[in-house]
Amino acid sequence: SYVLTQPPSVSVAPGKTARITCGGNNIGSKSVHWYQQKPGQAPVLVIYYDSDRPSGIPERFSGSNSGNTATLTISRVEAGDEADYYCQVWDSSSDHYWVFGGGTKLTVL
Amino acid sequence: EVQLVESGGGLVQPGGSLRLSCAASGFTFSSYDMHWVRQATGKGLEWVSAIGTAGDTYYPGSVKGRFTISRENAKNSLYLQMNSLRAGDTAVYYCARGAIAAQGFDYWGQGTLVTVSS
Repeated sequence: SYVLTQPPSVSVAPGKTARITCGGNNIGSKSVHWYQQKPGQAPVLVIYYDSDRPSGIPERFSGSNSGNTATLTISRVEAGDEADYYCQVWDSSSDHYWVFGGGTKLTVL
Repeated sequence: EVQLVESGGGLVQPGGSLRLSCAASGFTFSSYDMHWVRQATGKGLEWVSAIGTAGDTYYPGSVKGRFTISRENAKNSLYLQMNSLRAGDTAVYYCARGAIAAQGFDYWGQGTLVTVSS
């Protein structure tokens, strides 16, 4: 089964850049999608196909994917960005075809 | 505007059954794969079932044989029949629309809470 590993937490000061990683075996060969989930709310897609942004998602959100690590980057972090972030891939060899990382809590200091 | 509204959650005893529903609007329901994803309190997201536009279904081993996903395109509705429920099935269950060449999810409902407890 394919495993995605995220740090449990990341902290950043307002206005700075946050980077949230997602590790997986040769993840660079897969398409990675990222979701933001604020407390008590449903997840929202913020990045798809490694680096594409859905309409309505600020340009401050960007993504990259290479080797064994995918990264979600949030520039000029705002208080409203505080949330849990999940990476996700599709893996036909896994029991759970649609695989999520364990999530990262982003705290804005 | 795409909307997904779940219903049917509640408290059920171990070994019991529950049927969740998801009412979809704002898009051509029959043209999209649909999914159920769950989240235990304080935990991460876990995909639990999918149904394709042709009615093909997919489950992880943890729920296979106990959960059944179905859809009724004429009613723009998605369902999840859950049998032989266990304490470990306690979670908020989200309905999600499949997208990104079927690899991800572009819209999610607000979820419905299922509690399995005696």
